Amino acid sequence: AQKITQTQPGMFVQEKEAVTLDCTYDTSDQSYGLFWYKQPSSGEMIFLIYQGSYDEQNATEGRYSLNFQKARKSANLVISASQLGDSAMYFCAAPGETSGSRLTFGEGTQLTVNP
Amino acid sequence: GAVVSQHPSRVICKSGTSVKIECRSLDFQATTMFWYRQFPKQSLMLMATSNEGSKATYEQGVEKDKFLINHASLTLSTLTVTSAHPEDSSFYICSASQGNYGYTFGSGTRLTVV
Repeated sequence: AQKITQTQPGMFVQEKEAVTLDCTYDTSDQSYGLFWYKQPSSGEMIFLIYQGSYDEQNATEGRYSLNFQKARKSANLVISASQLGDSAMYFCAAPGETSGSRLTFGEGTQLTVNP
Repeated sequence: GAVVSQHPSRVICKSGTSVKIECRSLDFQATTMFWYRQFPKQSLMLMATSNEGSKATYEQGVEKDKFLINHASLTLSTLTVTSAHPEDSSFYICSASQGNYGYTFGSGTRLTVV
């Protein structure tokens, strides 16, 4: 079973600066993946980025990148050049070993971008 | 890309009545649908997993007689909150698995029981 931990209930960042949201995981699976989702106040879950455990390079998607450190079991999300619209709740999540299995979510981090 | 349409987005109902929430996969077949519940400023908690044509698997502590899940087709899964009470007020959101670790979420339903 996966356990996802996000230790930052809230984070603040100035517009145009970078911010790192922490995520650690605990799994005994050999193959696994990690997701990051953004949830604005409207409630929808927006997929941001995915990292597979066997991916040799850290995932990047536009202003989002993953600082994946397998030995430390961490998959931190880095948002560069923060925008006001980045203010939202961010969740780290992991599925079980089999494709299509349930996602387990971390507690979430509320990010506020200040002008 | 894959889309899951969830309705209604917002519903207010009286205590004791039942509410049905629908999730439809519009352009793919969702063999597995996950139903989550989320309280304000908290994480998503899995309530149940439904597979097309079979009974849903409920998480520990979730009352299966209260939260009825039906997944009668590959494109439609429904969650019915029966005999709703104010403590059932919450945000409910579905997610369809597409395999290969792809997940698509509905837009969620805010349920308020008065």
